[in-house]
Amino acid sequence: GAVVSQHPSRVICKSGTSVKIECRSLDFQATTMFWYRQFPKQSLMLMATSNEGSKATYEQGVEKDKFLINHASLTLSTLTVTSAHPEDSSFYICSASQLGGPVGNQPQHFGDGTRLSIL
Amino acid sequence: ILNVEQSPQSLHVQEGDSTNFTCSFPSSNFYALHWYRWETAKSPEALFVMTLNGDEKKKGRISATLNTKEGYSYLYIKGSQPEDSATYLCGSNFGNEKLTFGTGTRLTIIP
Repeated sequence: GAVVSQHPSRVICKSGTSVKIECRSLDFQATTMFWYRQFPKQSLMLMATSNEGSKATYEQGVEKDKFLINHASLTLSTLTVTSAHPEDSSFYICSASQLGGPVGNQPQHFGDGTRLSIL
Repeated sequence: ILNVEQSPQSLHVQEGDSTNFTCSFPSSNFYALHWYRWETAKSPEALFVMTLNGDEKKKGRISATLNTKEGYSYLYIKGSQPEDSATYLCGSNFGNEKLTFGTGTRLTIIP
């Protein structure tokens, strides 16, 4: 149980393109989803916390107009990298907590991640 | 800035041997400590979530301990097998739901 599906798994596109990444909880409802970014040899860095039906909370230094997050239902959150440039090339991964209980002491269920390469 | 440190960065262990590695974190405002196993081309898989000082959890050959007063957790693997090869990530919450992760310990089991 507790499966999170993320796609696409890999995107290669030209500079200036907008890219949408989807994160779905397949067999549970997720009030909260998290979006992370990972550069080579670095840790997962939280970009934003996505709450169903409300605006996402962005971490310091993350441009909300650049990384648009929508959490329209209890099973789907999307991250759109708008007008992507080579410096946006990275590994992006989402996670979700199951509905109910304090989020902090529940295990996170991760997607497989998306490798984004901007040419 | 809240730092979660993991050591060593990488580790090679002979099949059958036991091993352990460390996650250290600031002890103030501690809420929970998470361990994940991340195999190549797969998603991170939750191993343990620990909240209480002195807590010890076990899952098969893998176990973890937690010391919240001094700010560290150990992950132990007994009788390593090739399928244990993965990156082991720890993350900690500090009074909120957000996880701060370490860079992971990359474990390779040598057959």
